[in-house]
Amino acid sequence: EAGVAQSPRYKIIEKRQSVAFWCNPISGHATLYWYQQILGQGPKLLIQFQNNGVVDDSQLPKDRFSAERLKGVDSTLKIQPAKLEDSAVYLCASSLSLAGPHEQYFGPGTRLTVT
Amino acid sequence: AQKVTQAQTEISVVEKEDVTLDCVYETRDTTYYLFWYKQPPSGELVFLIRRNSFDEQNEISGRYSWNFQKSTSSFNFTITASQVVDSAVYFCALSEQAAGNKLTFGGGTRVLVKP
Repeated sequence: EAGVAQSPRYKIIEKRQSVAFWCNPISGHATLYWYQQILGQGPKLLIQFQNNGVVDDSQLPKDRFSAERLKGVDSTLKIQPAKLEDSAVYLCASSLSLAGPHEQYFGPGTRLTVT
Repeated sequence: AQKVTQAQTEISVVEKEDVTLDCVYETRDTTYYLFWYKQPPSGELVFLIRRNSFDEQNEISGRYSWNFQKSTSSFNFTITASQVVDSAVYFCALSEQAAGNKLTFGGGTRVLVKP
């Protein structure tokens, strides 16, 4: 079974530029998550989708971050404009559904460096 | 609000030594789940275990064991006879049923196993 796919793996941009990350979850997984992991810290949830609907985006900086999951499968996370403090690894995860404590499976992440 | 604390930031051991990672959590929910994830140098988070709040039985899986104590809100993880391949950052995480099962991670403990 294929795991969670993410691209690109690395991205370097200058502040005020925009960037987009892509995630393809495990086939059949209804729930998709985006996390931000700053160096030396645990992952922090940015947004959670159930199919193509947003369940929780309370920690998403909506003035610069946006995410979508239009067809309930792939998802894109965008930052515009980027700030230095956005330098982090962006992790995508998926799980079977919201109902029940299904474990989340993580992708390899995208390491973003903002200069 | 849910919170996870991993007081040990880094532990260094010599191969074959045992190592115990501490995890203390806070929650007001009566139904919750606790997880441990491993993050090797490659960066991908690997699921290790999930326990629910109603099951306080300890668990052993090979060289890994977990001790769940509701009375002290702790969910500690022991690696017996450590190996170099165990070198990684380990994260404890909590999800509350009332919060849609989103994961809150601790800050992680880096384990360095020296040959």
